[in-house]
Amino acid sequence: VQLVESGGRLVQPGESLRLSCAGSGFNFRSYEMNWVRQTPGRGLEWLSHIASDSASVHYANSVKGRFTISRDNAKNSLYLQMTRLRADDTALYYCLVGMAYWGQGTPVTVSS
Amino acid sequence: EIVLTQTPFSLSVTPGQSASISCKSSQSLLHRDGKTSLFWYLQKPGQSPQLLIYEVSRRFSGVPDRFSGSGSGTDFTLKISRVEAADVGVYYCMQGLHLPLTFGGGTKVGIK
Repeated sequence: VQLVESGGRLVQPGESLRLSCAGSGFNFRSYEMNWVRQTPGRGLEWLSHIASDSASVHYANSVKGRFTISRDNAKNSLYLQMTRLRADDTALYYCLVGMAYWGQGTPVTVSS
Repeated sequence: EIVLTQTPFSLSVTPGQSASISCKSSQSLLHRDGKTSLFWYLQKPGQSPQLLIYEVSRRFSGVPDRFSGSGSGTDFTLKISRVEAADVGVYYCMQGLHLPLTFGGGTKVGIK
C-alpha cells in the first residue's frame, strides 16, 4: 500500500489550494478515505471522510464550508479542495486509507 | 465530539523493560455491532503515523507481539513489552466510533 500526497505549498490567507493523494498497491475504489492534518500545537486533527463510492462525505466543523473532499476511482486519486485558507490551516496534511495506512504528508503553509 | 485523554505525556523506558500508556474516552466506544473502535498508532521520528492496534486489541499486519492492547468501554491501555530502541516515538490513540474521528494528545516514548 502506498499513498503519495502532493500539492502543498506556501499560500497567502484567503487563497485556495488543491491537495492530491495517489493510491497504489490496493483496490482504491473499495476503500473509504480520510484526510487528517497535524500541527505541533493542535496535534492530529481529522478533517474529512469520503465513502468508497463518494456517496457520503463528512467534514470537521473547522473546515466545513471551506474544504471539499472528492475522489476519482478511475485514477486511484483522492483530493482536498481548500478555499479561504487561514493561518491556522498551516499543517502537514495526510491522506489515509480507512483508518489504517497513512501517506507521508504534504505541508501547507498559510502566511502573508 | 468524543474526547480522548492520554497519559502519561511522556515516559522514558529502559531497554527490555515494559511500558504502558492509558487512553480514556469521554464516552463508551462500544459499537452496537459489539466491536469497540479504538486504535493505537506509533509515529516514529520524521515519519507518518503507523497503525499498531485496531479494535482495542487486534495487532495490525506485521506488528510484533510485544505490542498489546486491552480495555473496554472508556478505558484502554497499550502495553509495550521488552521495549527496544526502535519503539521510540509518539503513540496516539484514536476513536473511530463517531465522526469526527478524534485522537489522544499523544505519549512520547524515549529510551533511557
